[in-house]
Amino acid sequence: KAGVTQTPRYLIKTRGQQVTLSCSPISGHRSVSWYQQTPGQGLQFLFEYFSETQRNKGNFPGRFSGRQFSNSRSEMNVSTLELGDSALYLCASSLASGIYVEQFFGPGTRLTVL
Amino acid sequence: AQKVTQAQTEISVVEKEDVTLDCVYETRDTTYYLFWYKQPPSGELVFLIRRNSFDEQNEISGRYSWNFQKSTSSFNFTITASQVVDSAVYFCALILASGTYKYIFGTGTRLKVLA
Repeated sequence: KAGVTQTPRYLIKTRGQQVTLSCSPISGHRSVSWYQQTPGQGLQFLFEYFSETQRNKGNFPGRFSGRQFSNSRSEMNVSTLELGDSALYLCASSLASGIYVEQFFGPGTRLTVL
Repeated sequence: AQKVTQAQTEISVVEKEDVTLDCVYETRDTTYYLFWYKQPPSGELVFLIRRNSFDEQNEISGRYSWNFQKSTSSFNFTITASQVVDSAVYFCALILASGTYKYIFGTGTRLKVLA
């Protein structure tokens, strides 16, 4: 059974640009969550999507947005990139939404903003 | 204030030693959840355990054990007979469940197990 896939694995952008990251969940999983990991702020929850609806959202500015498609694949978009957006972006999938459902994480996309 | 403190930034042990990773949390919520995750060098987080605020039972899973004490707001993680494969960064997280979920992660403890 294939794990969570994130593409691309590495990305370099410049300030002001926008970026889209993709996450393909484990087959059959309907919930996808996104996390940001930086040396300064550590791990932070971005948002969760379940059945194409945003179920939960962390404390991030509106420049960070996401969506989920009918096949449960999810994309995360960051507009007007800032240097501080340089981070490892982790995606996790689970069968359903909720605390008691185990999440499985992908390897992450490392975004560098120059 | 809601906060998770992992005071140990880095710990080095020799293989087969026991090691305890500390996690202290702060919240005024009565309903919350505590998680531990492992992040190996490959980068992906691995879920280890979940505990809710109403369940203070300690748990043992193989070489791993967890001690949850509400009186001291701690959820410590012990690895018995550590192995090199245990080398990773370990994160403790507090999830608050009033309304939507709010995730608060600790800064992590880097564990190095030396052969």
